[in-house]
Amino acid sequence: RKEVEQDPGPFNVPEGATVAFNCTYSNSASQSFFWYRQDCRKEPKLLMSVYSSGNEDGRFTAQLNRASQYISLLIRDSKLSDSATYLCVVNLNDYKLSFGAGTTVTVRA
Amino acid sequence: DTGVSQNPRHKITKRGQNVTFRCDPISEHNRLYWYRQTLGQGPEFLTYFQNEAQLEKSRLLSDRFSAERPKGSFSTLEIQRTEQGDSAMYLCASSLGVQQPQHFGDGTRLSIL
Repeated sequence: RKEVEQDPGPFNVPEGATVAFNCTYSNSASQSFFWYRQDCRKEPKLLMSVYSSGNEDGRFTAQLNRASQYISLLIRDSKLSDSATYLCVVNLNDYKLSFGAGTTVTVRA
Repeated sequence: DTGVSQNPRHKITKRGQNVTFRCDPISEHNRLYWYRQTLGQGPEFLTYFQNEAQLEKSRLLSDRFSAERPKGSFSTLEIQRTEQGDSAMYLCASSLGVQQPQHFGDGTRLSIL
C-alpha cells in the first residue's frame, strides 16, 4: 500500500466553482501534513500546512481527520490560475516527506 | 532571489557518463534534502543532510549515487555510470528545522540518451 494516496483526477471545473478532494495516508504515526501545488514541469511549492483543527488561507481550506487518516483540500471561487497539480504531503518523521502522486485540477473559463 | 537554487536546470548526457548537480539552499536553513520525480508521480525522497552530516539515505539511492554537503552550505549529487532509468527531475529542498515545511528549488531535469 502506498504511504499517501490521492485521486489523480482530473477535476475539470468552471471558474467560480468550488472543488474539493482528499488524500489518505497509511502511517498513523505521521506527524505533520501539507498541501503543495505543482505547475507543469515546475517545482512543488508549499500551498499550506494542515492542522488538526483545520485551517483556511483565503479561498483554500484544509482539513485533517486523524481517526480516518485523511486530509482534504477545498478551493472556493476557483480561478483560472488555480489550475495545477495538488500534492498531498505527509511528514513521516522529522525529515522525510512522503508525497502523493497528485490531483490535477483544471479550471476553465 | 533568496530561494533554493539548483543548477544546471537541464542536463542531457549519454548512458554511462557521470553527472553532477548542485544545490544552494536558503542560507539560514540547516537541513537539505534531495528528491527524484518522474512523470505522473510525486517526488520520492533520496537523502537528507543536517548541516554537513548525511543522516539518511533511501534504498532508491544505489551505490552509483553519492551526495555531499562539505561545509554545510551547498550540496552536490553525483550519479556515476548513468542508466536510462536515471532520467528524472532531481529536486533539492531545504528547511529551517524539524517538521518545518520544505522549500524546493527549480530542479535539474536529467535526460539520458
